[in-house]
Amino acid sequence: KAGVTQTPRYLIKTRGQQVTLSCSPISGHRSVSWYQQTPGQGLQFLFEYFSETQRNKGNFPGRFSGRQFSNSRSEMNVSTLELGDSALYLCASSLGTEGNTEAFFGQGTRLTVV
Amino acid sequence: AQTVTQSQPEMSVQEAETVTLSCTYDTSESDYYLFWYKQPPSRQMILVIRQEAYKQQNATENRFSVNFQKAAKSFSLKISDSQLGDAAMYFCAYRSPPYSGGGADGLTFGKGTHLIIQP
Repeated sequence: KAGVTQTPRYLIKTRGQQVTLSCSPISGHRSVSWYQQTPGQGLQFLFEYFSETQRNKGNFPGRFSGRQFSNSRSEMNVSTLELGDSALYLCASSLGTEGNTEAFFGQGTRLTVV
Repeated sequence: AQTVTQSQPEMSVQEAETVTLSCTYDTSESDYYLFWYKQPPSRQMILVIRQEAYKQQNATENRFSVNFQKAAKSFSLKISDSQLGDAAMYFCAYRSPPYSGGGADGLTFGKGTHLIIQP
């Protein structure tokens, strides 16, 4: 069974540009969450999607957005990139939305903004 | 909002010995879920163990066990018979029940503890 796949693995963008990251969940998983990991702030929750609906969003500016498709694949978009957006972006998928459901993480996309 | 605190940025243990990683959290909720995740150098987060707050019995998974003290809001991880493959960053995480209105439904992570295994 394939795990969570995130593409691309590495990305370099220039300030002001926008970027789209992709996440393919484990087959059968309907919930996808996104996290930002930086040395300073640690792991922070961005948003969670279930059945194409955003369930909740963390404390991030509107430049961060996402969506989920009918096949549960998810994308997140960051517009008008800032240097501080440089981070490892992790995607996690789970079967459902029960609190104790195990979240399976991908290997992340390393975004560098220059 | 919930917060998770891991007071040990780094811990070192000899191979085959036992180590305990600390985690405290702050919440006003009575029902919630707690997790320990491991992040090796490959950066892929792996679930180590989970605990439902309503369960008094401490969770155990092979060499990994927790000491869950609900009143003290403490959730420590004990690793027995430490192995070289246990070397990684360990993150304690909290999650509210779905639709609880307790804030973001995602995981709230601590800053992590870097575990070093000495051969």
